[in-house]
This record gives sequence, C-alpha cells and structure tokens, in this order.
Amino acid sequence: AQSVTQLDSQVPVFEEAPVELRCNYSSSVSVYLFWYVQYPNQGLQLLLKYLSGSTLVKGINGFEAEFNKSQTSFHLRKPSVHISDTAEYFCAVSPPGSSNTGKLIFGQGTTLQVKP
Amino acid sequence: NAGVTQTPKFQVLKTGQSMTLQCAQDMNHNSMYWYRQDPGMGLRLIYYSASEGTTDKGEVPNGYNVSRLNKREFSLRLESAAPSQTSVYFCASRSRDHSYEQYFGPGTRLTVT
Repeated sequence: AQSVTQLDSQVPVFEEAPVELRCNYSSSVSVYLFWYVQYPNQGLQLLLKYLSGSTLVKGINGFEAEFNKSQTSFHLRKPSVHISDTAEYFCAVSPPGSSNTGKLIFGQGTTLQVKP
Repeated sequence: NAGVTQTPKFQVLKTGQSMTLQCAQDMNHNSMYWYRQDPGMGLRLIYYSASEGTTDKGEVPNGYNVSRLNKREFSLRLESAAPSQTSVYFCASRSRDHSYEQYFGPGTRLTVT
C-alpha cells in the first residue's frame, strides 16, 4: 500500500534562515504530490502540488518543492522563513489509480517552529 | 462563497452517546471526504463520496457511518461514541476538473469522555 513518510516531526529554525521539510513516498509509479499547511486551530490549505512537468514546483508564501522520482522524494523548501510560517506541514500523495476518487494519503506532519 | 463549512466546531460526548457531524460545500464539488487528525498520525481517511449517491470506506471506517445527503452535504455519524474517537475531524471536497486539490473545512474538535 502507498505510504508517505515525513522524516522530521519537528523542525525548529530561526527567522530568516532557510528550511527544508523532507517527504518520501513509497510508490515508484506515477503519483501526484501535494504539500498542505495547517495554521493553529485551522483547516488545511494547499501550498503547492506536483501533477506533471517541471520537477521544481513553486507555491504560495515563497515555498517551493522538488520532485525527485529516483529517490521518491518531494522535499519542501523556503530560502528565508518568517515567524508567520510557524505551522504544521503535511505531505500527501494521490495513489496510482485514484484519479476518480481523489483519495489522498497523508504523512504524519512536520511542525515548523520559527524562532525570533 | 463560504467554501467548506462544518458544524459543530466543538463537542463533548459521553461514551455511548451518538452524534452527527455536518459538512456542506458551496463550490459544486463532486467528491467529499471525512478525515480524522490525531497527533503524530497525520490525517486518516474515514469515508469518502466520489460522487453524489456513492460512499466508500477509507482507512479507518469502524465506528462511523456517513450519508451523502445531496451534492452539497456529507454527514458523519458516530452511533455509539468511544474515547478512541476523540479527535479533530475534517471534511474536504474536490472538484472533477483534474486539479486534484482538496479543500478543507475548519474542523470539529470532538472529545469523548
């Protein structure tokens, strides 16, 4: 079965420093990949997605992610974080054959703590 | 345009009580989903409805039932609540335009004592 692993449960970082949140998935066949952000006491909102094409995907709030098929990874990066980026981040994959159902498999989440 | 709305926002139940969580979307989306979020476990799919008139089990369906009342509304019912169902519940919806993006509601925080 498809699975998603977020390698860090918590990532503390100082304001204006770069950050990388790591995500690996289990399938080697074509999948669709997503990063969602959850601010405290809110629902999830989409940061960015990879469906096809360029392996470098740009999203909202200055985030970007790189799809690496050979390493089955989809790491999220930001060159300079702000206090307001403090949130929980979820990597998700749409498994092969799920285009009709739209089902997503989520990783465990990574809490990004930006310190002043 | 409210997006995805959920009621109630908070609920406390005693073991054995029943309740229904309500979800509605105003984006004319075809598919709707119910997830639960527990610390360290991400979001896990409980049930989904790929289109009006159909429902299917997700990863953790035991103890829950759903109803796709119409295209807009998708409810989740706990017939006999258990402490293990203490969680935050999210409803989501998706259009059929192949964008694959799911839109989430604000969540319902449920505590079962």
